[in-house]
Amino acid sequence: NAGVTQTPKFRILKIGQSMTLQCTQDMNHNYMYWYRQDPGMGLKLIYYSVGAGITDKGEVPNGYNVSRSTTEDFPLRLELAAPSQTSVYFCASKDRGNSPLHFGNGTRLTVT
Amino acid sequence: AQSVTQPDIHITVSEGASLELRCNYSYGATPYLFWYVQSPGQGLQLLLKYFSGDTLVQGIKGFEAEFKRSQSSFNLRKPSVHWSDAAEYFCAVGRMTTDSWGKFQFGAGTQVVVTP
Repeated sequence: NAGVTQTPKFRILKIGQSMTLQCTQDMNHNYMYWYRQDPGMGLKLIYYSVGAGITDKGEVPNGYNVSRSTTEDFPLRLELAAPSQTSVYFCASKDRGNSPLHFGNGTRLTVT
Repeated sequence: AQSVTQPDIHITVSEGASLELRCNYSYGATPYLFWYVQSPGQGLQLLLKYFSGDTLVQGIKGFEAEFKRSQSSFNLRKPSVHWSDAAEYFCAVGRMTTDSWGKFQFGAGTQVVVTP
């Protein structure tokens, strides 16, 4: 049971570089989410998707973009990396109705 | 707006002792409540959830939580802590909208340290 898989686990970027954080799930969940986790701040929602082709902004979307071309994949794009984007990023998915979030193991990103 | 408060940033407990983690929420309707645990370098794992019904819910790893509407609380408990329970714990409240995508609000987390 793979669940939610995120790659890479770690990444160091220079300011202004771009990268894509990959997320895939094999549970056929319609709903997928990207969160960032900063110390003492809990998790903040960046973007979410309710199905293939449908995405929307969360609490902290600035500096990020997403796409959802398939049910399984929900990549997060950073176009011009900034030090403020240093964080741990979690992808999650959810089934319909009253069901909880299932999380990947996270990507630790450092921007210097 | 919904919010979640975990008053304790850090708790130290002896192995074998009981543990209680506090969670208070602010929400205008019946909340859907969750506790997650995060071990170092790992994602968040669901411990238990409350949607409706019995206000005392049982979860994995011997944890339980009690929903108290009058106190807007959903505290997590374990009678006897094991060293492997050292982790960070997050309380979350979910709002299931009509399209069921579910908006979740997380607390800031409580770090639990277990001493021998």
